[in-house]
Amino acid sequence: AQSVAQPEDQVNVAEGNPLTVKCTYSVSGNPYLFWYVQYPNRGLQFLLKYITGDNLVKGSYGFEAEFNKSQTSFHLKKPSALVSDSALYFCAVRDMKTGYQKVTFGTGTKLQVIP
Amino acid sequence: IAGITQAPTSQILAAGRRMTLRCTQDMRHNAMYWYRQDLGLGLRLIHYSNTAGTTGKGEVPDGYSVSRANTDDFPLTLASAVPSQTSVYFCASSPHALGQTTDTQYFGPGTRLTVL
Repeated sequence: AQSVAQPEDQVNVAEGNPLTVKCTYSVSGNPYLFWYVQYPNRGLQFLLKYITGDNLVKGSYGFEAEFNKSQTSFHLKKPSALVSDSALYFCAVRDMKTGYQKVTFGTGTKLQVIP
Repeated sequence: IAGITQAPTSQILAAGRRMTLRCTQDMRHNAMYWYRQDLGLGLRLIHYSNTAGTTGKGEVPDGYSVSRANTDDFPLTLASAVPSQTSVYFCASSPHALGQTTDTQYFGPGTRLTVL
């Protein structure tokens, strides 16, 4: 079975400071990993994904994520937070070994950027 | 390009009533999905369809049914609504079935459903 954990319900960061939103996963095969963002009263929007290759993945709005196989993590990062980054962030995983046609989402982390 | 539209935006429904949530996409995507979003539980897959004419069950299919008569539309029906189905429902699509490719999903704006 595949699973994903986002250990923090909320992350607070001051504007201009670096931010990290944590994600760990569990799969039996190789993972495909995704980050989505949800702004208030909106649907989820794709940010970035890791499939293979370079462990550092760059995505939309200046976000990036680092795949760490030994720690089974895929933390989302941004060097300098903006107030407009305040939103709900979801990590998601799909296990390529099982072939199950399903993406498992984490429970979400609310990011609050303080002016 | 509208992407994915959902209707209604929100609805208050009496328990026991039948309700159909509508979802339409104009991207000619093969695969479509229905999720429910609940606080502390994230998104859970209800049903999916890899292509027109086929459907499959997700994590939480009980109490819900879907149909996929054509590429664009993927309605979700609650035959007899219960209060535990109070949730925000998101429709999503991807160009191909997730089991075949690494495609990302595109989400609609959601329907907020309250069952009393």
